[in-house]
Amino acid sequence: KAGVTQTPRYLIKTRGQQVTLSCSPISGHRSVSWYQQTPGQGLQFLFEYFSETQRNKGNFPGRFSGRQFSNSRSEMNVSTLELGDSALYLCASSPQGATNEKLFFGSGTQLSVL
Amino acid sequence: AQTVTQSQPEMSVQEAETVTLSCTYDTSESDYYLFWYKQPPSRQMILVIRQEAYKQQNATENRFSVNFQKAAKSFSLKISDSQLGDAAMYFCAYRIDMDYGGSQGNLIFGKGTKLSVKP
Repeated sequence: KAGVTQTPRYLIKTRGQQVTLSCSPISGHRSVSWYQQTPGQGLQFLFEYFSETQRNKGNFPGRFSGRQFSNSRSEMNVSTLELGDSALYLCASSPQGATNEKLFFGSGTQLSVL
Repeated sequence: AQTVTQSQPEMSVQEAETVTLSCTYDTSESDYYLFWYKQPPSRQMILVIRQEAYKQQNATENRFSVNFQKAAKSFSLKISDSQLGDAAMYFCAYRIDMDYGGSQGNLIFGKGTKLSVKP
């Protein structure tokens, strides 16, 4: 099976723009989670989607949003980009999102905001 | 609020030797999971080992083992016979057991320990 695929790998944007990141989970996985990784704050949970519904959300402003499609692929969007949004955005998938399941991570999208 | 602390920003080990990475956490919950993840330069997070809090026996996975001290809220990772491929960032993580909701999205990570392996 193919692993979790995130596109693009690298992205450069300017302040005020918006950006959309994509994540394709492992085939058959219905739960997709997003994490932000920065040198200062480390890894922080953004949100989790399951069957096209947001099931859990971290402590991020409303500029961060996401969605999940019927094929379980997920996108996250950041509007009105700020310099502090520069980070590695990681996506992870699991079959049902149950607590005893292993999370499979992608290689991330490195976003730079200038 | 739950927190995870890794007090060693960097560690170094000689190839074939043993190294222990430290992790402490703070929680008022009794049911939870603890993890060690490895992040090599490829950036992909890879699960190394997992421990259920209700299990007293320490988890082991080949050369990797943990020392889980629930009362002390300590969860250290021991890597035996270190190999060059073990060089990476290692993250300790915590997740509350939320079977009723089925959601495991809320992984809480430590800041990480960068492990170098010297040949």
